[in-house]
Amino acid sequence: GAVVSQHPSWVICKSGTSVKIECRSLDFQATTMFWYRQFPKQSLMLMATSNEGSKATYEQGVEKDKFLINHASLTLSTLTVTSAHPEDSSFYICSAPTGASNQPQHFGDGTRLSIL
Amino acid sequence: QKEVEQNSGPLSVPEGAIASLNCTYSDRGSQSFFWYRQYSGKSPELIMFIYSNGDKEDGRFTAQLNKASQYVSLLIRDSQPSDSATYLCAVIQGAQKLVFGQGTRLTINP
Repeated sequence: GAVVSQHPSWVICKSGTSVKIECRSLDFQATTMFWYRQFPKQSLMLMATSNEGSKATYEQGVEKDKFLINHASLTLSTLTVTSAHPEDSSFYICSAPTGASNQPQHFGDGTRLSIL
Repeated sequence: QKEVEQNSGPLSVPEGAIASLNCTYSDRGSQSFFWYRQYSGKSPELIMFIYSNGDKEDGRFTAQLNKASQYVSLLIRDSQPSDSATYLCAVIQGAQKLVFGQGTRLTINP
C-alpha cells in the first residue's frame, strides 16, 4: 500500500538551530502534503498545506517565516523549523492523500523534535 | 464550539466487551469522516472511513454515521488489550483539510 516516509524520526538540538524534516511519498505522487504538529496529550493541529510547485498555505497563527515549507518535487516536501526554541519542541507529522480529495490520508511516522 | 468534538476519556472497557467511541462535528456540509488510532509516541493509523449514513463494518470495527445529527461513532467488538490507544475522529473540510477531534483515550482491561 501507499507509504509516506518521514525523516528524521527524532531530533535533539540546541536553541537557535534550524532543523529540516523530510516527508516523502514512496510509491505515489503527491501534489499536496500536509504538516501537523502535536503537543503532549493534545490532538493533531494542521500547520500548513504544502503544494508542489507553489507556495505553501499556512493555517492561522502559524508563522510562515519560522516554519519554512518547500515542495520541490511530486514526492518530497520539507519542513524547516528556523531558529528553533524550546517552545517549538513537539511531534511533527506529515501526511499525503493518495487519491481523490475525500480519500484517507497516509501519515508519516512523525518526527519528535526536542529543543534544549 | 469546536469543529470536531470527542469525549477525551479515559474510557475503560473490560476485555471482550464492546467499546463505543463518539464524535460530533459542526460543519453540516462535511462529507468524509475518519477514525484513526494512535498509540503513544506514534503517528495515527487509519482504522475506518465512512461517507454515507448508516453503518460500515470491517472486522471487529463498525463505523456509524448520522449526518442529520452530525454524529459519527466507532464500535469495537470483542475488545482486546491491544486496542488500548487514543482514537481520533477526523473530518475533511474544504480541499482535503483534515480536522481532528481531541481524541478519546481507550483502555481495555484484561
